Amino acid sequence: QQPVQSPQAVILREGEDAVINCSSSKALYSVHWYRQKHGEAPVFLMILLKGGEQKGHDKISASFNEKKQQSSLYLTASQLSYSGTYFCGTPGGNTPLVFGKGTRLSVIA
Amino acid sequence: KAGVTQTPRYLIKTRGQQVTLSCSPISGHRSVSWYQQTPGQGLQFLFEYFSETQRNKGNFPGRFSGRQFSNSRSEMNVSTLELGDSALYLCASSLEFPAYNEQFFGPGTRLTVL
Repeated sequence: QQPVQSPQAVILREGEDAVINCSSSKALYSVHWYRQKHGEAPVFLMILLKGGEQKGHDKISASFNEKKQQSSLYLTASQLSYSGTYFCGTPGGNTPLVFGKGTRLSVIA
Repeated sequence: KAGVTQTPRYLIKTRGQQVTLSCSPISGHRSVSWYQQTPGQGLQFLFEYFSETQRNKGNFPGRFSGRQFSNSRSEMNVSTLELGDSALYLCASSLEFPAYNEQFFGPGTRLTVL
């Protein structure tokens, strides 16, 4: 079952914050976050392996609410380099990872 | 450490032909996964190989197949190409189980079917 991401797209000015949500209709055992810049391969951001876990590096962090079957990615004081499409991925039935359709983030000066 | 490499980077084929794509994972990585990426469908899982065995397969027709060699390099094959097979094919490697480990993606092979 494909996780649902929201919003589908967001435009920010430099310095603004954003939240990207990822939810699933089934139990989540792990949540992965990747970012893909235009014309490039997806790049790993972080994995959350258990409920209640929060992780972050630099100004990008994420939380995992196992009970609510959702995860959120927080981008603080966004920079131009944050532009790209963000994907969350969760383990599927016979699929190691099922990715959401992505959230396109555009940061403008 | 060298990253994941994929060859060729671009391919143009015609309907009915077949194609083979190659992926070399990061040294030491034993799991290789393949994904198809299209604007409409996003990233869709094709299959995963570990120690030369297909461990998982996505919902794709039998025209899509793959294999992994003893050195962990992997190939995927698409036979009887259709227009809808035009996509970016991404390979990703991880140490072990991709559900619980970081995946490193290659640059992809852009396949265009005419």
